[in-house]
Amino acid sequence: GENVEQHPSTLSVQEGDSAVIKCTYSDSASNYFPWYKQELGKGPQLIIDIRSNVGEKKDQRIAVTLNKTAKHFSLHITETQPEDSAVYFCAAGNSGYALNFGKGTSLLVTP
Amino acid sequence: DTEVTQTPKHLVMGMTNKKSLKCEQHMGHRAMYWYKQKAKKPPELMFVYSYEKLSINESVPSRFSPECPNSSLLNLHLHALQPEDSALYLCASSQWDRDTGELFFGEGSRLTVL
Repeated sequence: GENVEQHPSTLSVQEGDSAVIKCTYSDSASNYFPWYKQELGKGPQLIIDIRSNVGEKKDQRIAVTLNKTAKHFSLHITETQPEDSAVYFCAAGNSGYALNFGKGTSLLVTP
Repeated sequence: DTEVTQTPKHLVMGMTNKKSLKCEQHMGHRAMYWYKQKAKKPPELMFVYSYEKLSINESVPSRFSPECPNSSLLNLHLHALQPEDSALYLCASSQWDRDTGELFFGEGSRLTVL
């Protein structure tokens, strides 16, 4: 089955700096790679996703890159703000129920 | 309306109690999911309903019993739970389970088993 590795497990950055979280996956059949943000006491919320026919996608301060050959994808957050502090999960799969989640990255943005 | 609504938000129950968690979505999604999430861990898939029929049961103990009364509602009936079942239970929905579409999560029901 699919195995998704996520690094780092914790990340602390100063406000205004960039944050990068990296994930690798094992199943070459995976074609969908979402990123979820989970704030304390809330459910995960999709912040950006990318499909295997695209190498990069950007939405304001958030971008995701995908390298299918190397089987890795990354989340980039620029100009970080304290409200970006949360746990971020990457996932990989090829259907709704077959999403496999990484173990999560706890991001802390300090003012 | 892009919301998945879960009730109750918090639930405390004894090991002999019977309780239910409820989930509702009005996005016309035909796939609905139950996930279990322990602290500092990713969500773990429990059940998938597709077109109101159970399509996936990830070897979940029978003390958890899902039910999908209609396309908008999903219940999780709880009976004779153990303290290790204490967790955040997340409901999610997507357009359908065979397509890689966005998974919408609810805020979860935090369950404590005494």
